[in-house]
Amino acid sequence: DAKTTQPNSMESNEEEPVHLPCNHSTISGTDYIHWYRQLPSQGPEYVIHGLTSNVNNRMASLAIAEDRKSSTLILHRATLRDAAVYYCILRENTNAGKSTFGDGTTLTVKP
Amino acid sequence: NAGVMQNPRHLVRRRGQEARLRCSPMKGHSHVYWYRQLPEEGLKFMVYLQKENIIDESGMPKERFSAEFPKEGPSILRIQQVVRGDSAAYFCASSLDTGQGQPQHFGDGTRLSIL
Repeated sequence: DAKTTQPNSMESNEEEPVHLPCNHSTISGTDYIHWYRQLPSQGPEYVIHGLTSNVNNRMASLAIAEDRKSSTLILHRATLRDAAVYYCILRENTNAGKSTFGDGTTLTVKP
Repeated sequence: NAGVMQNPRHLVRRRGQEARLRCSPMKGHSHVYWYRQLPEEGLKFMVYLQKENIIDESGMPKERFSAEFPKEGPSILRIQQVVRGDSAAYFCASSLDTGQGQPQHFGDGTRLSIL
């Protein structure tokens, strides 16, 4: 399985932007980059996904490096409810359907 | 517009008993995935089913575990003769199709505790 590398933890202040990095140097040309987050005692929640171009939705933005070996999830204004574990996942063509979760980044938001 | 529904939310079993976990996918979704999350760990893929068929069971333990997704009704993850190591949160996800760009929608899980 293609692997992703994320920092174990990050901190942010409320109302400030947050940039969550993810390295995926072994990504192949057809792999999609997905982001999920998991709040305490809940299931993972889909955040955003992309292939090559940067993406925006109501929750976040996804910036993908030109060589696609890394990406950054951007929360434009962090709130206390954004405190969660954020997972960066590669969805591979050869394992369609299966998502391989790493350890993710635990985001702490300080008031 | 109900999301993925899992029940029960909490299940307690004694060693040697059977555990049955149920998952109703989102309306219109025919692809179901089961994941297991041990305490303080990330989610591990177990099995992927598409109505009446097991597509990928590469993450399922070879013994005691089985999964089904019948034509009618919820998907069931069944664990026979449970042991303490089966204690975990079990999450179900569903998707509209299996394309790489298709997000998976997760339920809030069943927390299984083995006494």
